[in-house]
Amino acid sequence: SYILTQPPSVSVAPGQTARISCGGKDIEGRSVHWFQLKPGQLPLLVISHDSDRPSGIPERFSGSNSGNTATLTISRVEAADEADYYCQVWDTTSDQVAFGGGTKLTVL
Amino acid sequence: QMVESGGGVVRPGGSLRLSCEGSGFKFEDHAMHWVRQRPGKGLEWVSFVAGVGTLTYYGDSFKGRFTVSRDNTKNSLYLQMNNLGIEDTALYHCAKAQGWNPSAAFDLWGRGTLVTVSS
Repeated sequence: SYILTQPPSVSVAPGQTARISCGGKDIEGRSVHWFQLKPGQLPLLVISHDSDRPSGIPERFSGSNSGNTATLTISRVEAADEADYYCQVWDTTSDQVAFGGGTKLTVL
Repeated sequence: QMVESGGGVVRPGGSLRLSCEGSGFKFEDHAMHWVRQRPGKGLEWVSFVAGVGTLTYYGDSFKGRFTVSRDNTKNSLYLQMNNLGIEDTALYHCAKAQGWNPSAAFDLWGRGTLVTVSS
């Protein structure tokens, strides 16, 4: 199965930029999606297909994908952005979904 | 929205059938997935079912034990879970894909239904 690697945690001060990486072999050839999970709330799609921002997601959220790393970037971080973030791809080799292990974003 | 039901407490080796009802969109136009989150753990993909037809895929831990199905006439998705083990204790979410393709993003999730496997 396809392995996606995320840092367990990222910390950033309010107003700064948070970057959450998602590593995978040749991931640039795959379409990466990002989800935000907050306790007691529905998981929320924040970036689809590497860099598309769904309706209602602030422009502060952006995504990129190159080489072996996809990145979720959150600019001008706010306290409300504190959450767990997961990357996800569809692996055509195994016909399975792969999730990264998740990254806990802490706003200092 | 997506609303799951059917969770509960079951003994090891037992079975449970989860349901998920979708509304507000054309159900048959969208592939569906089940995703679970075990206590204190990350997201774990369980299964995929195509919008129409019988195409299904499963995570390795679920092949042969879990069966996904859907009834588009009822806007409903199901997950039959057999031979449950303690490690299957989790919150089970259904998730709608943006389209028919398995690589489509999950753009709508349910709140989940809790399954507890305990003796």
